[in-house]
Amino acid sequence: NAGVMQNPRHLVRRRGQEARLRCSPMKGHSHVYWYRQLPEEGLKFMVYLQKENIIDESGMPKERFSAEFPKEGPSILRIQQVVRGDSAAYFCASSPRLAMNTEAFFGQGTRLTVV
Amino acid sequence: EDQVTQSPEALRLQEGESSSLNCSYTVSGLRGLFWYRQDPGKGPEFLFTLYSAGEEKEKERLKATLTKKESFLHITAPKPEDSATYLCAVHEETSGSRLTFGEGTQLTVNP
Repeated sequence: NAGVMQNPRHLVRRRGQEARLRCSPMKGHSHVYWYRQLPEEGLKFMVYLQKENIIDESGMPKERFSAEFPKEGPSILRIQQVVRGDSAAYFCASSPRLAMNTEAFFGQGTRLTVV
Repeated sequence: EDQVTQSPEALRLQEGESSSLNCSYTVSGLRGLFWYRQDPGKGPEFLFTLYSAGEEKEKERLKATLTKKESFLHITAPKPEDSATYLCAVHEETSGSRLTFGEGTQLTVNP
C-alpha cells in the first residue's frame, strides 16, 4: 500500500523557468492538499483540491502559481517564471474525505531550488 | 487570524531525561489539534489528533494532552531515535480544510 508519492524529490530551476511538482495520493484518497515549507519556517497551506475541482486556494500566491487535480493522473502544482523566493520544500497530503483528520498523510516532499 | 506557537524552538535532552513540548494556540473554534513528527528531508509523519480539552493520547514514549489554550507533548525516557522536529497544527472551524502549523520544536536526544 504505497503512501503519498511526490516527484521529483529534488528540482533545480533557473530563474524564469517553470516548475512542475507532482503528487499521487494514496490509493482511495480523493482529496489533495499542498503545503509549502520555507527555510526556517513552518508549513503553510496553499491549496486544497478534489478530483477536477479546486476547493480552497486561499493560500496560493495570486500570480505564477496554479494547481490541478485531473480526473486521471496526479495532482500538479505549477510555478511559472520561478524566482529565488520560491525555493522551498513543497509537501502534498491526501485524505479520503473532507476533514483533515487522522486519515491525512503527507508525502516526502519536493525540494525546489531556484538558481 | 489563527496562531500556533511552539516552544521551545529547540530542546536537547540526555537519553532517559523526560520533558515536554508546548503548543499554544489561538483559534475561534478548534476542530482538532494535530501532532506530527518530521525527520530531516522527510515529510511530516502523523502522531496524534486531539479534539477536546481534557483529551489525552499515548503512543510508546509519547503522550499528548490538550487544554482550551495549549497542548503538551510529553516525552518519557526518550531515546536518540526520538530526535526529530515535532510539529503542532490546528484545524479551526472556519478555516475550511486547512491546517495551521507552528514552526516546530527541534528535539535532540543525546546517548
